[in-house]
Amino acid sequence: AQRVTQPEKLLSVFKGAPVELKCNYSYSGSPELFWYVQYSRQRLQLLLRHISRESIKGFTADLNKGETSFHLKKPFAQEEDSAMYYCALSGDQGAQKLVFGQGTRLTINP
Amino acid sequence: NAGVTQTPKFQVLKTGQSMTLQCAQDMNHEYMSWYRQDPGMGLRLIHYSVGAGITDQGEVPNGYNVSRSTTEDFPLRLLSAAPSQTSVYFCASSYSQANSPLHFGNGTRLTVT
Repeated sequence: AQRVTQPEKLLSVFKGAPVELKCNYSYSGSPELFWYVQYSRQRLQLLLRHISRESIKGFTADLNKGETSFHLKKPFAQEEDSAMYYCALSGDQGAQKLVFGQGTRLTINP
Repeated sequence: NAGVTQTPKFQVLKTGQSMTLQCAQDMNHEYMSWYRQDPGMGLRLIHYSVGAGITDQGEVPNGYNVSRSTTEDFPLRLLSAAPSQTSVYFCASSYSQANSPLHFGNGTRLTVT
């Protein structure tokens, strides 16, 4: 079975502090992992995917197969990073059939 | 280019009533899907379609029907609404190539009393 766990429902940090949103997954095959973000009054949208190895808005995420994790990190948080973040996994069901985690609401305090 | 459009934005139903949530996309995406979002549970896949005329069940399909008569439209039907179906519903679409990002609609907030 495929499962994604985001252990923190809420995360609050101060502006300029480092941010790490945790994501752990359970999947026996070779996973494809994504982070989606939903800003206030906006649609859910793709933030980044592990296969692209890109940095978007200062965020990066590294797939650690040994620890089955895909944590999202940013060295210096900005107020505009406040949003709901979802980690998602695509396994043997096909790239579009994503399994989502429970989500983490990130609040950046001024 | 409107992307993925969902209607209505809000809906209140009484138990036992039926209704259809509409979803349309203008990006010529082959893949379309419906998710429900509940507090503490993330997004769960209800039904999906890989192309016109093809649909399949997701994780939580009970109580919902779908059809895909055109590439653009993917309506979700609630046959007999129950309070457990109170949720926010999201439609999403993408190209069928691996790792194509999902494009989401704005969501429909449904309350069943």
